Order: sequence, then structure tokens, then C-alpha cells
Amino acid sequence: DTEVTQTPKHLVMGMTNKKSLKCEQHMGHRAMYWYKQKAKKPPELMFVYSYEKLSINESVPSRFSPECPNSSLLNLHLHALQPEDSALYLCASSQDGVAGEQYFGPGTRLTVT
Amino acid sequence: GENVEQHPSTLSVQEGDSAVIKCTYSDSASNYFPWYKQELGKGPQLIIDIRSNVGEKKDQRIAVTLNKTAKHFSLHITETQPEDSAVYFCAADSPLLTGNQFYFGTGTSLTVIP
Repeated sequence: DTEVTQTPKHLVMGMTNKKSLKCEQHMGHRAMYWYKQKAKKPPELMFVYSYEKLSINESVPSRFSPECPNSSLLNLHLHALQPEDSALYLCASSQDGVAGEQYFGPGTRLTVT
Repeated sequence: GENVEQHPSTLSVQEGDSAVIKCTYSDSASNYFPWYKQELGKGPQLIIDIRSNVGEKKDQRIAVTLNKTAKHFSLHITETQPEDSAVYFCAADSPLLTGNQFYFGTGTSLTVIP
């Protein structure tokens, strides 16, 4: 089973709202990732958690705040977003944070109004 | 740093024909090359990958070839079907990047015409 689940599938939020995206995997993977994808573009890496510790933050604005409560769960807390933050937010996981296959979830389509 | 180029950006083929998508990379130290298929409204799906110690890998109608000397790798889909229509991304790892990060190609939109 190579399933990564994400909720919600769609999210519309105003610029003053606070919301959270959730990601879950039960493959025993120890690395989890957040990506942002704009239309017709490849995914752009935002954050990497390896063994529940934040290992990579690709200079993402502080209005995006990741959290890894345990090895199966990954959250992305959103606050005071801008319309240009509207995108597909993808979660992925891999065996570890060193090398190898990454499996993506279906994504959350976020629209900021 | 690593640069992954992908061609063509769009590709249309008749059902039953073959499709080939090519990628080139610049970092000779790259070792792992995955291919992802992304259907409309879905996340990328890992369909096949290859490591630098292998020249070719096949999985049913899909194959990937790697030429380390020339620094290019290709995805081959035979006997295409309408459900193969999607955007395909190649990627390469790089020791220049910490952790398990990839450089992605810019994507190929494949349309299989019934």
C-alpha cells in the first residue's frame, strides 16, 4: 500500500482566516514533505520533516507553519494568506529523508479570496 | 546546480502508438531518476524509476532508459491508451541538495487520441 491521504480536498479561505491542511500515511515512512504546485508547473518543495524533525524549510513565508505531531501525520497551518498562495498543496512521504521513492497524496486545492 | 530539461512540452499520439518523453540533466552525480504521472485534479503518481547502476527498466507497457554518459533518460510508453493521457514529470536527485530532494522537469502533457 503506497497511500498518502490528504484532507480537505478543497479549501476556500479569506485572507484573514486560519485553516489547517492534514496529511497522513501508514507506510512506516519516516520522511514527509509539503509541496506547492501551480497550474502547469512541477511541484515546488516547501518543507521536509525527517524523523519528525524539520530538516528543510525552503524559505517559505511564515504565514505557512508546518507541524509533525508523529511519524504518520503532517499538518500545514495557514494564516493571513495572499491570493497568490492559491495552488494545489501536495503532501508526500518516503522511507527516509536520504534518498529514494517519494509517494504523493492527492493534494488540497486551496483558493484564497 | 542541477538542471533538468524535459521535452516535448506537449505530445499527441494516436491510441496504440508509442510515446517517448526525454529528459536531460546536468549533474553527473545524480543517481536516482523517477517518473511521475499526474492526471487532472490528482497528485503525481510514481510510475517508474531507475537508478544509475541500471541502463533500462520495464514495467508492462512502460519503460525507462538511462544514458549516464550523455546524461539523459527517457520514458517510453507502448500501445498507448486514452487513460495514459496526463502530465508526466521526470525528476533527478542531486547530492547538491540536502535530504531526499528532486529537481523536476517542466512536464509533458500527453494526449492519447482514441
